[in-house]
Amino acid sequence: NAGVTQTPKFQVLKTGQSMTLQCAQDMNHEYMSWYRQDPGMGLRLIHYSVGAGITDQGEVPNGYNVSRSTTEDFPLRLLSAAPSQTSVYFCASSYGRVNTGELFFGEGSRLTVL
Amino acid sequence: KQEVTQIPAALSVPEGENLVLNCSFTDSAIYNLQWFRQDPGKGLTSLLLIQSSQREQTSGRLNASLDKSSGRSTLYIAASQPGDSATYLCAVLQGGSEKLVFGKGMKLTVNP
Repeated sequence: NAGVTQTPKFQVLKTGQSMTLQCAQDMNHEYMSWYRQDPGMGLRLIHYSVGAGITDQGEVPNGYNVSRSTTEDFPLRLLSAAPSQTSVYFCASSYGRVNTGELFFGEGSRLTVL
Repeated sequence: KQEVTQIPAALSVPEGENLVLNCSFTDSAIYNLQWFRQDPGKGLTSLLLIQSSQREQTSGRLNASLDKSSGRSTLYIAASQPGDSATYLCAVLQGGSEKLVFGKGMKLTVNP
């Protein structure tokens, strides 16, 4: 089982560029989410989804878009990157809704915006 | 607003010690609490999940307890080993919410 797979692992962008961080899971999990992890700030929820076609905002959604067209995939889009979006991004999934069980994390995507 | 605190931020101990890691939260209306481990440059791995109706969970050398009324959880690590060195995070799920709130973590170093 691959679990939660994130690509790319590392990315450098210039201010104003756009990109998509990919997240895929092969566990048939309904719940998927994106977090960013910054030194001294801990993990903060960006967006989440409780099933295909359903997404909602987390704590820090500004500057990010998501969609959920399939159960397996939950991409995170940065439309116009800013230096404040330099961070490590984690995708996580859970069977059913998040309050039914443990959360499985990907290995992370380290993004630097110059 | 729920706040989750882990103190101290870092701990260094010799191998073999029994450890207690603390997690406190401000709003006791939680659905569950999870403890995670994060190795450098890696994602988080769930260690233990405690539902609000439970008092504790055990897995191997790990035991987590939950006291909702006092807003506290502890993670007990028995006979610590160098391989236990990592950052440990706790997270709570507010009742009726889909959003986990994380503490900032505690970096544990177990010295041989």
